[in-house]
Amino acid sequence: GDSVTQMEGPVTLSEEAFLTINCTYTATGYPSLFWYVQYPGEGLQLLLKATKADDKGSNKGFEATYRKETTSFHLEKGSVQVSDSAVYFCALSESDDMRFGAGTRLTVKP
Amino acid sequence: KAGVTQTPRYLIKTRGQQVTLSCSPISGHRSVSWYQQTPGQGLQFLFEYFSETQRNKGNFPGRFSGRQFSNSRSEMNVSTLELGDSALYLCASSLKGLEPQHFGDGTRLSIL
Repeated sequence: GDSVTQMEGPVTLSEEAFLTINCTYTATGYPSLFWYVQYPGEGLQLLLKATKADDKGSNKGFEATYRKETTSFHLEKGSVQVSDSAVYFCALSESDDMRFGAGTRLTVKP
Repeated sequence: KAGVTQTPRYLIKTRGQQVTLSCSPISGHRSVSWYQQTPGQGLQFLFEYFSETQRNKGNFPGRFSGRQFSNSRSEMNVSTLELGDSALYLCASSLKGLEPQHFGDGTRLSIL
């Protein structure tokens, strides 16, 4: 079945560092791909999405490109801030089936 | 536009009891999904309701059940609670399918 694998955390970075959180997926067809973010004490919020190959989703300085050839959707940000500290989830949706990765906890230190 | 509202935010129960959690979706959203989030298992899909019908179901025992009302509000019920049911239960709504989903802040259920 479909699945999502994302890099294990926790990830700790200094403010203004470059961020990459790896995400790869397994799917039978052509899923939509998502990154969600969960801040402490809150539910998940959609951060960005991409619906077809080579699409780039972007929001709040975060970017991810749908790479069909490598079945990947890595999350990147050029300069992280303390306020980016949260848990990040990669997810896919195909045929009314939604799968989430295990989540990666990011801590940004000033 | 009001977001997804889950009540209560926190709940403490003892083993063997049953519990009902409530979720009010964003106005106009007809799909409501439920997830269980634990440190060990991560985010696991419980079930999805659309127009009062269960459309998708995850791999959870029959103690976990749900329903959806004509106004799209949904409830989730867990019977004969076990210690392992302690978790954050998240509800998400969307217009018609499973994407994009808008999540509530969750109900944190603790079993003593």
